[in-house]
Amino acid sequence: QVQLQESGPGLVKPSETLSLTCTVSGGSLNSYYWSWIRQPPGKGLEWIGYIYYTGSTNYNPSLKSRVTISVDTSKNQFSLKLSSMTAADTAVYYCARHASGYYFEYWGQGTLVTVSS
Amino acid sequence: QSALTQPRSVSGSPGQSVTISCTGTSSDVGGYNYVSWYQHHPGKAPKLMIYDVTKRPSGVPDRFSGSKSGNTASLTISGLQAEDEADYYCCSYAGSYTWVFGGGTKLTVL
Repeated sequence: QVQLQESGPGLVKPSETLSLTCTVSGGSLNSYYWSWIRQPPGKGLEWIGYIYYTGSTNYNPSLKSRVTISVDTSKNQFSLKLSSMTAADTAVYYCARHASGYYFEYWGQGTLVTVSS
Repeated sequence: QSALTQPRSVSGSPGQSVTISCTGTSSDVGGYNYVSWYQHHPGKAPKLMIYDVTKRPSGVPDRFSGSKSGNTASLTISGLQAEDEADYYCCSYAGSYTWVFGGGTKLTVL
């Protein structure tokens, strides 16, 4: 069974860069697309972007200027960097694996990131 | 790219049926047969319940069904059970390898 686990700081200062890592167990990164998704408190989900195991990426246009997603297949991990953090970026951040189609088959449990000085 | 519109809450008694709507545009829900639904119990990982509008993953009870008409997709849960109480999110492919989610619906089993 594929499992995903997000890790990273729970608190980030305004204007700093958030760095999160998703560690995949029970399966390989190969041949799949991997996404980051977030949920601000009391709001719905927002797709942030994806990376293919080869390293190709695509991002939500609303976040594109601040987002970088990278992959490390040797560690079975992929990562998110979100720059210029503000209070509006406070959210639970999830990593997820795409199925062969256009949906998200496996999700991590999420990690809460709070932006505050 | 605007969020899909879902009712904030729905409720039903055990054994009854409820339907959750998800309204988008011709650029997402109406333009592709790639709507998926996720069940989310707070603190847990979201769970895929429906994909490609109507398909159920293995292990998901057939009490859960999906449909679409125009720019609105729907999730119907029949024979409500206490464990169905959760938040439900719709998601649609929005073209150019992007996705858009709904605001979520809280299902209460009375």
